[in-house]
Amino acid sequence: SAVISQKPSRDICQRGTSLTIQCQVDSQVTMMFWYRQQPGQSLTLIATANQGSEATYESGFVIDKFPISRPNLTFSTLTVSNMSPEDSSIYLCSCDRGNNYGYTFGSGTRLTVV
Amino acid sequence: SQELEQSPQSLIVQEGKNLTINCTSSKTLYGLYWYKQKYGEGLIFLMMLQKGGEEKSHEKITAKLDEKKQQSSLHITASQPSHAGIYLCGAPISNFGNEKLTFGTGTRLTIIP
Repeated sequence: SAVISQKPSRDICQRGTSLTIQCQVDSQVTMMFWYRQQPGQSLTLIATANQGSEATYESGFVIDKFPISRPNLTFSTLTVSNMSPEDSSIYLCSCDRGNNYGYTFGSGTRLTVV
Repeated sequence: SQELEQSPQSLIVQEGKNLTINCTSSKTLYGLYWYKQKYGEGLIFLMMLQKGGEEKSHEKITAKLDEKKQQSSLHITASQPSHAGIYLCGAPISNFGNEKLTFGTGTRLTIIP
């Protein structure tokens, strides 16, 4: 099954700054997904990233706040912009590896905004 | 929109005991994934179920999808401290693949010695 390398694993950031999270997949995948998990909550999809086109954002998430890049079929970044304490969450990337392997997730980025 | 409800929300089990976690969907499932999450970390894939009545086992964990494909259960036999964590069920919104997953509310499992 695919391995997704996600970094950083955690960070503590000052409010008003931005953080870029990277995910590298060890094989080519069509779609990559970015999720947010707020403290004590389940996962919520932020956006879907398809190579060569703009990401598709879910309701409540906007490109100015969470810009996403997908320069090729093995890599994607999510930026959390102009951070506030409410952005403190775990951010996870994911991809669909097909019928035999299902959806694989990165190890997560634990973000704390102070 | 599809909703997944897990029960119980939390579970405290003595080591060596069996336990069951349920995941119920408001709509027919196209597939059902079970994941385990250690605190503050990523999701570890456990099992994927696609057909009604399907059952899969890995080590001491068995997952089933009912015939109507609206409910799944995860059963752990002879629980161990390594089983502790948050268990999440997730389901795609279609059967086309490359679709987002909707997740359940999660079940926090604690194993006491």
